[in-house]
Amino acid sequence: QVQLEQSGAEVEKPGASVKVSCKASGNTLTSYYVHWVRQAPGQGLEWMGVINPSGDTARYAEKLQGRVTMTRDTSTSTVYMELSSLRLEDTAVYYCARDHVDYWGQGTLVTVSS
Amino acid sequence: DIVMTQSPLSLAVTLGQPASISCRSSQSLVSSDGNTYLNWFQQRPGQSPRRLIYKLSYRDSGVPDRFSGSGSGTDFTLKISRVEAEDVGVYYCVQDKGWPYTFGQGTTLEIK
Repeated sequence: QVQLEQSGAEVEKPGASVKVSCKASGNTLTSYYVHWVRQAPGQGLEWMGVINPSGDTARYAEKLQGRVTMTRDTSTSTVYMELSSLRLEDTAVYYCARDHVDYWGQGTLVTVSS
Repeated sequence: DIVMTQSPLSLAVTLGQPASISCRSSQSLVSSDGNTYLNWFQQRPGQSPRRLIYKLSYRDSGVPDRFSGSGSGTDFTLKISRVEAEDVGVYYCVQDKGWPYTFGQGTTLEIK
């Protein structure tokens, strides 16, 4: 069974940055695209972007362009999502998901509060 | 971007009765490989989304056979043949034909 483990909850101030990690058991992310999806409190799911297996190409949602960066460390099979210039409305649970969204992480709550 | 529209947005069903959720896409989800890239997800309260159905009608491992997916092109349906208490949650249709992946608004299923 594939398990994606994400980093813990974060509390940040507006204007700050946050970096969330995602690692799979047994290096099962190595050959896969990884997507990031977020869910604001009581809201639906929003696709944020995707990074390719080698980590040299990423595609981001238009509304997040310029603020989101997805990277991966192939030596540790860890994928990262960094969101900068945080706003109150970025408060959400952030999920990583393997390609074709078959397996998801447990989610990371990011709270943006002054 | 492909727009996904679900209906109804909420559904109350008696235990043991069937349930049906519809989803429509703004473009065909049939790919050049012949597959239809439409998924159905369940999200129980406080949990991560869980994929139930992929490529229109294939059930994921461990998904009860009371869940089934059908449809074609741009119109899709998730059916639950006999609703059980554990089925309470929000159901989303999701297209993975192309980026950006897009989600329906979600349908909340509750027990009547």
